[in-house]
Amino acid sequence: EAGVAQSPRYKIIEKRQSVAFWCNPISGHATLYWYQQILGQGPKLLIQFQNNGVVDDSQLPKDRFSAERLKGVDSTLKIQPAKLEDSAVYLCASSSNTGQQETQYFGPGTRLLVL
Amino acid sequence: AQSVTQLGSHVSVSEGALVLLRCNYSSSVPPYLFWYVQYPNQGLQLLLKYTSAATLVKGINGFEAEFKKSETSFHLTKPSAHMSDAAEYFCAVSDSGQAGTALIFGKGTTLSVSS
Repeated sequence: EAGVAQSPRYKIIEKRQSVAFWCNPISGHATLYWYQQILGQGPKLLIQFQNNGVVDDSQLPKDRFSAERLKGVDSTLKIQPAKLEDSAVYLCASSSNTGQQETQYFGPGTRLLVL
Repeated sequence: AQSVTQLGSHVSVSEGALVLLRCNYSSSVPPYLFWYVQYPNQGLQLLLKYTSAATLVKGINGFEAEFKKSETSFHLTKPSAHMSDAAEYFCAVSDSGQAGTALIFGKGTTLSVSS
């Protein structure tokens, strides 16, 4: 079974530029998460999708971050414009169902450096 | 609000020694608790999870954790460390306070294993 795929793996941009990340979850997984992991910290949720609907985006900085999952499968996360403090690893995770006991499977992440 | 505290940002052990990584949680409801491992430049991999079925939970790679409600703890142990166990370990609790089912992570503990 293929795991969660993410691209690109690394990205370096200047501040105020825009950037987009892509995630393809495990086949059949209805729930998709985007987490931000700043160096030295644990991951923090940005947004959760159930199929193509948003379940929780309370911690997404909506003035600069946006995300979509149009067909309920793959997803894109965009930052526009980027700030220095957006330098982090962006992790995508998926699970088969929405339930607190469900295992979330993580992709390898996209490492973003904003200069 | 739920939270997780990992005591000790860095733990060093010798090969063959006992591994003990500490995690305390704060939750007003019975929690679902998880331990994940992260190897360099990789995503998070589930080691084990507590879903109230049994207080002693066995995971992959010889790791286990015991849920102690009286101590609000979920410490991770392994009887004998291997060099391959060197990685970062995250304790997480499933967030019942938000609309979704995001994980709330601790700050992580880096495990070093020396020969």
